Amino acid sequence: GENVEQHPSTLSVQEGDSAVIKCTYSDSASNYFPWYKQELGKGPQLIIDIRSNVGEKKDQRIAVTLNKTAKHFSLHITETQPEDSAVYFCAASRNNFNKFYFGSGTKLNVKP
Amino acid sequence: NAGVTQTPKFRVLKTGQSMTLLCAQDMNHEYMYWYRQDPGMGLRLIHYSVGEGTTAKGEVPDGYNVSRLKKQNFLLGLESAAPSQTSVYFCASSRPRGGRNQPQHFGDGTRLSIL
Repeated sequence: GENVEQHPSTLSVQEGDSAVIKCTYSDSASNYFPWYKQELGKGPQLIIDIRSNVGEKKDQRIAVTLNKTAKHFSLHITETQPEDSAVYFCAASRNNFNKFYFGSGTKLNVKP
Repeated sequence: NAGVTQTPKFRVLKTGQSMTLLCAQDMNHEYMYWYRQDPGMGLRLIHYSVGEGTTAKGEVPDGYNVSRLKKQNFLLGLESAAPSQTSVYFCASSRPRGGRNQPQHFGDGTRLSIL
């Protein structure tokens, strides 16, 4: 099955700096890559996603890039704010009943 | 605008006891999923369902059973709880659309401790 690896496990940045989280996947048939944000005591919430026919997608301060050849994708957060502090998960999926395979998570701490 | 609702939110069990976790969604989604979340391991799929009356095994199904008698509900059962099943359990749902994968919508989890 699919294996998704996520790095780093923890990331601490100063408010206003950028943060980058990277994921690699093993199944070349994976074609959908969502990113989720999880705040303490809550369930994961989708923040951005990308499909395999696109190399980059942006939504305000958040962007995701995908390199299909290398089988890796990254989340970029610019101008970080304290409210960006949370755990972020990447996931990969192929067209088999929408099953997701998640990375192990990155705890982002934005220091004011 | 409830989305995905999980009950209970917290529970403590003794080894060998049984219990059922309930997930309800009001978005008319076909697909539903149960995950467990453990420190440093992300979310791992336990069981899933692609429609009323159907269920299938995920990555870590041992020790769990599920049922989907109604489209909006997905139940996760522990027949004989073990300390290794101490975890946070998340339910999610999604809707197939044109053969393309879609986001999953998550509940806020059930925190389960087995003593």
